[in-house]
Amino acid sequence: GESVGLHLPTLSVQEGDNSIINCAYSNSASDYFIWYKQESGKGPQFIIDIRSNMDKRQGQRVTVLLNKTVKHLSLQIAATQPGDSAVYFCAENWAGGGNKLTFGTGTQLKVEL
Amino acid sequence: DVKVTQSSRYLVKRTGEKVFLECVQDMDHENMFWYRQDPGLGLRLIYFSYDVKMKEKGDIPEGYSVSREKKERFSLILESASTNQTSMYLCASTSAGERDTQYFGPGTRLTVL
Repeated sequence: GESVGLHLPTLSVQEGDNSIINCAYSNSASDYFIWYKQESGKGPQFIIDIRSNMDKRQGQRVTVLLNKTVKHLSLQIAATQPGDSAVYFCAENWAGGGNKLTFGTGTQLKVEL
Repeated sequence: DVKVTQSSRYLVKRTGEKVFLECVQDMDHENMFWYRQDPGLGLRLIYFSYDVKMKEKGDIPEGYSVSREKKERFSLILESASTNQTSMYLCASTSAGERDTQYFGPGTRLTVL
């Protein structure tokens, strides 16, 4: 079946550097994408979303880029802080899937001081 | 703010016991979901519900059932718990309107001995 995957299971960055977390999706019909952050022992927390009519969307210190040609999604975190250490998931949705999401397995982001 | 609560953060049960996991949301959301989360496997959908008294099987419904008697409450039931059901269980909700993110509860860590 269709799936959403992440290239790197673990990403280590220095505090203050920018982080880039990548996600590949395989369902060409997907048109809504979400990034979640999950801290240890907690439920996933919404970070930012993007619809397929956009290539880029910015939030506070975060930017999501969508490349529909190669079915690739990325999350950029500017000036990474220790509090950013967590697992990050991407998720996809398509019009024919109702409100169901397909999730990637996640990337562990570790911020080194 | 959307709030999704789960009845327990940690549960320890014995094989063969009947287990109830409760989820309550306060945003009048029509759609509710139950997932389990295991290392390396990401979030997997067990059951979901589009409305009161409605339920649909997700990707891994075997060994589980659900109940949705009230709009705000969605219960996951393990009729006879087994050790392979040891996992983190996450509840989520979302509105039925324009596609939106799913909002997650804090999770229940269930251990079956």
